[in-house]
Amino acid sequence: DAGVTQSPTHLIKTRGQQVTLRCSPKSGHDTVSWYQQALGQGPQFIFQYYEEEERQRGNFPDRFSGHQFPNYSSELNVNALLLGDSALYLCASSTRDRGAGELFFGEGSRLTVL
Amino acid sequence: AQSVAQPEDQVNVAEGNPLTVKCTYSVSGNPYLFWYVQYPNRGLQFLLKYITGDNLVKGSYGFEAEFNKSQTSFHLKKPSALVSDSALYFCAVINYGQNFVFGPGTRLSVLP
Repeated sequence: DAGVTQSPTHLIKTRGQQVTLRCSPKSGHDTVSWYQQALGQGPQFIFQYYEEEERQRGNFPDRFSGHQFPNYSSELNVNALLLGDSALYLCASSTRDRGAGELFFGEGSRLTVL
Repeated sequence: AQSVAQPEDQVNVAEGNPLTVKCTYSVSGNPYLFWYVQYPNRGLQFLLKYITGDNLVKGSYGFEAEFNKSQTSFHLKKPSALVSDSALYFCAVINYGQNFVFGPGTRLSVLP
């Protein structure tokens, strides 16, 4: 049973560029959440997708956008990259109908903005 | 608003000794509380959770946590630490239907 998979694992971009990160949820999960983890900090909630719609959003600017596909996989897009966007981006999946079920995390995509 | 505090950035303990990693929370309503562990350059792994019932929750790898409603705490414990327990530990809280809020993390170092 494959867990949460993310790609790419590492990438380097320059300021102003755009990036797309991808996530496939754990089998049987229908909800995908994205988190940003800056160095030395806890994960910060970006947004959550369920039934192909953004359901909740954290305190992140509109430069951060996402998408969920019919197969429940998801993308995170960041436009006009800033140096401060350098972080580990974590995808987590869960099942909506379990309410407070635990999140299952992928290994993350480490983004470096130069 | 929900929040989580982990008052210690770093906890050092000798192998074989008991360990405690502290967590306090603030949330309206009944809290759902979680502990996750993160090894270097890896994602977060679920350790245990408290939803309701017995205040002492047992989880993976011999870890347990005690929910204390009056002190709004959810401290992580293990009776005998292993060097392999050295990692970054995150406490998290959620209201039903809301998103997870994570604490800043506590780095645990178990010394041989």
